Amino acid sequence: GDSVTQMEGPVTLSEEAFLTINCTYTATGYPSLFWYVQYPGEGLQLLLKATKADDKGSNKGFEATYRKETTSFHLEKGSVQVSDSAVYFCALSGTDKLIFGTGTRLQVFP
Amino acid sequence: DAGITQSPRHKVTETGTPVTLRCHQTENHRYMYWYRQDPGHGLRLIHYSYGVKDTDKGEVSDGYSVSRSKTEDFLLTLESATSSQTSVYFCAITRDPSNSPLHFGNGTRLTVT
Repeated sequence: GDSVTQMEGPVTLSEEAFLTINCTYTATGYPSLFWYVQYPGEGLQLLLKATKADDKGSNKGFEATYRKETTSFHLEKGSVQVSDSAVYFCALSGTDKLIFGTGTRLQVFP
Repeated sequence: DAGITQSPRHKVTETGTPVTLRCHQTENHRYMYWYRQDPGHGLRLIHYSYGVKDTDKGEVSDGYSVSRSKTEDFLLTLESATSSQTSVYFCAITRDPSNSPLHFGNGTRLTVT
């Protein structure tokens, strides 16, 4: 069945460092791909999405490109801030539902 | 923010008791979901609904049932709670899961003692 695999966390970075969180997927058909973010004590919220191959989603300085040839959707940010500390979830659209990865915790220190 | 409310926000119950969690939306979205979040497992889908009285199982549906008698409410019931059901439960809604974002509630923390 469809699935999403994310890199294990936590990812620990200093402020202004470059961020990559890896995400790969297995799916039949052509799913949409998403990154969600969860701040402490809150529900998830959409960070960015891409609906077809080679699309790039972007928001708040974060970017991810839908790579069909490598079945990947890696999340990147050029310069992280302390306020980016959160848990990040990669997801793909299955039939009538979203399938989430296990999440990657990001900790950014001043 | 999407209008989605979960109740209660916190609950402590004893093993073997029934528990019902409520998700209420004001967005008139067709799709509603119940997830549980546990360390090391991320979000796992319990049940979902694609319309009034239309529901289906997710990957961890054993021990849970749901009902959706009207568009705005989606109830999750633990018929006889067990300690393994201690978790944080999230409700989510969307107009179209293939293209529109999921909007999540703030979660219900359930502890089964």
